[in-house]
This record gives sequence, structure tokens and C-alpha cells, in this order.
Amino acid sequence: DAKTTQPNSMESNEEEPVHLPCNHSTISGTDYIHWYRQLPSQGPEYVIHGLTSNVNNRMASLAIAEDRKSSTLILHRATLRDAAVYYCILREETSGSRLTFGEGTQLTVNP
Amino acid sequence: KAGVTQTPRYLIKTRGQQVTLSCSPISGHRSVSWYQQTPGQGLQFLFEYFSETQRNKGNFPGRFSGRQFSNSRSEMNVSTLELGDSALYLCASSLRTSGTTDTQYFGPGTRLTVL
Repeated sequence: DAKTTQPNSMESNEEEPVHLPCNHSTISGTDYIHWYRQLPSQGPEYVIHGLTSNVNNRMASLAIAEDRKSSTLILHRATLRDAAVYYCILREETSGSRLTFGEGTQLTVNP
Repeated sequence: KAGVTQTPRYLIKTRGQQVTLSCSPISGHRSVSWYQQTPGQGLQFLFEYFSETQRNKGNFPGRFSGRQFSNSRSEMNVSTLELGDSALYLCASSLRTSGTTDTQYFGPGTRLTVL
């Protein structure tokens, strides 16, 4: 599986935007970029995914570099509830439903 | 719509015993995947079942096994428990309409402690 690299931790203030980066320099043309997050004492939850174009949903935005070797998850206004570990995951066609988690980024949101 | 449910939520076993964990997927979901989460190894894929057949398997010893029933409910079994099997075991379900875009919905997990 292609690998992703994320910072171990990031900090933000409540109601400010947060940009969580992810590097995936070995991404192949058909790999989708997915983001999941895991809140304390819960299972992971889906955040967003994309292939080439930037994507928006009610939770976040995903900005994908033109060469697709990096992407950024954007939380427009962080809340205390957004404090979680955020995982950037590449999904290959052959991997089925399998998700390969890296170490993720621990996001701390300060009040 | 009910989410993914896992039972039991907590379990304590001793070395050498075996354990069975249960997962009920979201209604209509036919794919169930299992993951192990430990502080040292993070989240690791165990296996996936779809239509009662194992479709994908992670790099775990044969002591870890699973099955899926016709109603899509799934069980995983760990035999001859070792201390290192202490972990949070997570189950995820999906529609599996696409390998690259289907959303995985996770349950709250079963916390297994091996003494």
C-alpha cells in the first residue's frame, strides 16, 4: 500500500481554521485519498475523500495538490469536539474495504 | 438507523483461553471488517468478510479467525490468548459498492484484556 506521512500532532484554537497536511508522494493514479478521525474512546469515523478535485462536505474540505502528492484536510472552524486523531489513508482498487492506517495527527483544540 | 454494534464492550481473559467477539453491521451492509488497535502498533487490519466469505486478510497468525453469517453479522475468534492480544478490537461495516470510495462505519469496539 502507498504510504502517507502526517505530523504527529497539531494544535489549534477554538473557532479558528485548521489545516492538517498529508504527504503521499508514491500515490498512484487510481488511489483515492480518504480521511478518518478517531475521537477519544470511540471507533474511527469517516470525514471526507477525494481523487483529484477539491471536495467539500458538512464536516470539512479536502484540498488536493495538482500533482496529487499531498493533500490538506481543512476544518473551517475548529470546535472542542474536533479534538481527535486524524488519519490520512490511500485507498487502492485492489484493497477492497481494507483501510491502512498510519499514525495519524493528534489534533488538540484549545478553548 | 442503528449504527454498528459490538458485544461485549469489555472482556477480561487469561492466557491460553479463547475468546469470541461479535459485530452487528448497519442494516443493509454486507461487508464487515475487523481491526486491532494497540498503543504500539496502532490500527491494524485483521480481515474482511463479504457475503459470508473472507475477502481480504491482514498479517495476523492463524489464532485469529472469523466468520460471517447469512444476516451479515460477524464474529471473530482468538484462540490460545497471549498477553499481546490485549487490545481494542474494532468492527467496521460498509455497503462495499466500490473498493476505493465506500465509507467504513466503525463500531465502538471491544476492549480485550488478557491477564
